[in-house]
Amino acid sequence: EVQLVESGGGLVQPGGSLRLSCAASGFTFSSYAMHWVRQAPGKGLEYVSAITTNGGSTYYANSVKGRFTISRDNSKNTVYLQMGSLRTEDMAVYYCARDADSSGYPYWYFDLWGRGTLVTVSS
Amino acid sequence: EIVLTQSPATLSLSPGERATLSCRASQSVSSYLAWYQQKPGQAPRLLIFDASNRATGIPARFSGSGSGTDFTLTISSLEPEDFALYYCQQRNNWPTFGQGTKVEIK
Repeated sequence: EVQLVESGGGLVQPGGSLRLSCAASGFTFSSYAMHWVRQAPGKGLEYVSAITTNGGSTYYANSVKGRFTISRDNSKNTVYLQMGSLRTEDMAVYYCARDADSSGYPYWYFDLWGRGTLVTVSS
Repeated sequence: EIVLTQSPATLSLSPGERATLSCRASQSVSSYLAWYQQKPGQAPRLLIFDASNRATGIPARFSGSGSGTDFTLTISSLEPEDFALYYCQQRNNWPTFGQGTKVEIK
């Protein structure tokens, strides 16, 4: 089955760190750029970060630049989001998403999404 | 940052009716616009990309049109499973999403 499964969310204090994982299956993971998109409770979607197929290029929203790091391990079919210096405004469901194009470079549309993992930032 | 404004915020319609959703960009995004459907507790699903191309497996009752700053998603005849939240997203610049239009049962 073609799917993405996120994990690693949870409760963290402001200023803390968390690493999210997204395990892919059912498709050639190494052929696709991958993305993270988040959704704060009751709010709309906010684009967070992207990584190219070999990890050579990464992209970040201004709101997370310098605090979050995206990476991937193609041998494990997994993409990660290392989050640091967390703020209350980072609290959201974090979705992993596959790029809609298999050329390897981001096409910036998202055709496969995971179910998300909730990150709660609170003291 | 390109701001996408969706209207209306809520659309109340009956099954079988036609739904017309609007997305307006703060500056031209050419045809680089997508539409997603999201149901409560679920991840978004890609419906339309590049303004008018249906994604794989999307029924023909969904269609998209527009270019530049004004875009429309049309659902020709609403099925019960179409009542959901719909987002537009542009990729002309750093990806941004609209705030969503809720299509609810009248």
